Formats: sequence, C-alpha cells, structure tokens
Amino acid sequence: DQQVKQNSPSLSVQEGRISILNCDYTNSMFDYFLWYKKYPAEGPTFLISISSIKDKNEDGRFTVFLNKSAKHLSLHIVPSQPGDSAVYFCAASAPVQGAQKLVFGQGTRLTINP
Amino acid sequence: DSGVTQTPKHLITATGQRVTLRCSPRSGDLSVYWYQQSLDQGLQFLIQYYNGEERAKGNILERFSAQQFPDLHSELNLSSLELGDSALYFCASSTGGNSYNEQFFGPGTRLTVL
Repeated sequence: DQQVKQNSPSLSVQEGRISILNCDYTNSMFDYFLWYKKYPAEGPTFLISISSIKDKNEDGRFTVFLNKSAKHLSLHIVPSQPGDSAVYFCAASAPVQGAQKLVFGQGTRLTINP
Repeated sequence: DSGVTQTPKHLITATGQRVTLRCSPRSGDLSVYWYQQSLDQGLQFLIQYYNGEERAKGNILERFSAQQFPDLHSELNLSSLELGDSALYFCASSTGGNSYNEQFFGPGTRLTVL
C-alpha cells in the first residue's frame, strides 16, 4: 500500500528552466509534507516542508504547492541549476497512535542539462 | 556533513547471521530514526527513539530491534538475516520528537547479505 507516490521515476530539465516534481498521496490524515534531496553516496537532506493548513511555501528557488482536494503536492525549482541534479523524495507525516510517522515516496531522479 | 555518523559504511555477511549497525546523532538531537532503502525503493521508516525511549514504530520486522543509549547513540540489530535484507540503512536525527521536524541523515550503511 503505497500511500505516497511519485509517478515519475526521472525528469530531465534544461538549466535555467523550471523543474516541477510531483507527488500524490492517499491518506487524508497526513498533516505535514516534506521534500528531501539525495545525492549519490550521501544521506537525504531536508529541502522544504509545508503544513496541511497552507497551500504554498516558498524558500528561495524552491516552492512547494499543496492541493488537498486533489491530494497532490508539487515542488517547483526555478531557475534550475546543475547542482540540483539529484534524487528528490516526497514525504508525508501523519499522527499514528500518539506519534508522527513519516512515509516516503519512491523518489524522482532530476537531471539538469546545461 | 550532516553531523550524523553511521558505522560501518559497508557490511557483507551471510544468511542467518546477526549484525549491529551504529548511529551517532548530531550533538543535541534527542530523536533518532532508522530507515531502510532497498533497491529502487523509497525510504521505509523502521523505528524512532526519543531521549532513550521508543517513540514510533514503522514496518520493522520482528527479527530487527533497536535501542538508544543514555549518550543518545543508537544501534539497530538485524538477526537471522535473509537475502532480502540487503539494503541501505539510514539513520537520521532531529532535535524534536516529531517526524515532521527537519531530520538530518547519516551517509548510510550498505548491508549485503550473501
């Protein structure tokens, strides 16, 4: 039961353009959503998050949009830079039995072409 | 460098054996999380400890166990190993006790079961 899905395993974008990574979820109890970025041979690093009471959060070149009715969130990177090439994981957190549990998607490999 | 250390980096062992993975969280972080990433899979949450006590449990097998010690380092014990246990095991830490707090990941331990 994949509660968090990233349907695009990979995405290729030209440098300077906008990268849009998508994520769908099924559990309406998720109350926080996060994006993590992962380079090869390293652990994931936190990028940006959004609470379910908001529909947009922006941090520099990164913006996350949340559409609760569609159970969909997206990460926009603009402008895209070569250093953005990495695997991006969408994650969602829900309260379960008094604790918050994080569920990750399978990741999207973003490649920024010069 | 996230400040989270994991040892060993690589581990090769045989089916039926038992191994221990070690994690030292960032200085001051009270929460430790363990994740498993199998080939082409997202990160699967295993278990969380907060200040020495189990806080949340994910899809952790009964053959696996973990603990957090008074100095806040954590160990993940995997026993009766099977081929399917081959994966990257990540440890993460955070200041707070909720999974939506920014987590800082270690570089991972790659376990190969032959």
